[in-house]
Amino acid sequence: ETGVTQSPTHLIKTRGQQVTLRCSSQSGHNTVSWYQQALGQGPQFIFQYYREEENGRGNFPPRFSGLQFPNYSSELNVNALELDDSALYLCASSQEGLAGVDTQYFGPGTRLTVL
Amino acid sequence: AQSVTQLDSQVPVFEEAPVELRCNYSSSVSVYLFWYVQYPNQGLQLLLKYLSGSTLVESINGFEAEFNKSQTSFHLRKPSVHISDTAEYFCAVIYTGTASKLTFGTGTRLQVTL
Repeated sequence: ETGVTQSPTHLIKTRGQQVTLRCSSQSGHNTVSWYQQALGQGPQFIFQYYREEENGRGNFPPRFSGLQFPNYSSELNVNALELDDSALYLCASSQEGLAGVDTQYFGPGTRLTVL
Repeated sequence: AQSVTQLDSQVPVFEEAPVELRCNYSSSVSVYLFWYVQYPNQGLQLLLKYLSGSTLVESINGFEAEFNKSQTSFHLRKPSVHISDTAEYFCAVIYTGTASKLTFGTGTRLQVTL
C-alpha cells in the first residue's frame, strides 16, 4: 500500500509568482485535504476535495485554488504569492463516505519559501 | 467559534518519567479527536484517535488518551517516555458538519532528556 506523496519537497519562489503543488493520495482514498503550516504553528485547513469537487474551504483567499483528478490525486495552486505564504503545505488523504468520518493520513509536505 | 487549545507550548521531561500533554476543545455536540506527532522536517503521523466507543484509546508505542466529554478534553499521556519520543505533538478535532476539516491546536513540543 503506497502512502501519501507530495512534490516537490522544497520550492523557492518570489513575490507575485504562481506555484503548483502536487499530491498523490493513498491507495483506495477518495478525498484530499490541504493544510498550511506556518513556522511554529499548527496546520490550518485550506480546502478539501471529494470525488473531484470542492467539499469545504477554510479562511483562505481565492488565489488559493485546487483540483482533484479522476485518480484522486490533487493540485494546490497559489497565485500572486506573498511573503506570508511561506510555509509547509501538507496534503492528507482519507476515504470519506456514508460510514462517516475517516482518518486523514498526511504526506511529508512541501516547504515553500517566498522571497 | 471552533477551537483547540494546547496549553503547554513546551514540555521538558527526563527519560523514563511520565508525561501528560493537555488538549481542550470548544464544546460541541459531537466531535472526533486525534493526536498527531511531527518529527523535525517531516509531515504529520497519526498517533491515536477517538471516533466512538471506549473513551480510552491507546497507540502501539505506549501513548494513551482519554476523551472526557464533560471537560471537553483529550489529554495525551505516557507512563514512561523515551528519548525517541522527542517531537511536536498536535491535538486535532473534527467537528461534525465541517466536511471532515481538522482543526488543530498550536502544538506541544515534547523534549525528552537523559
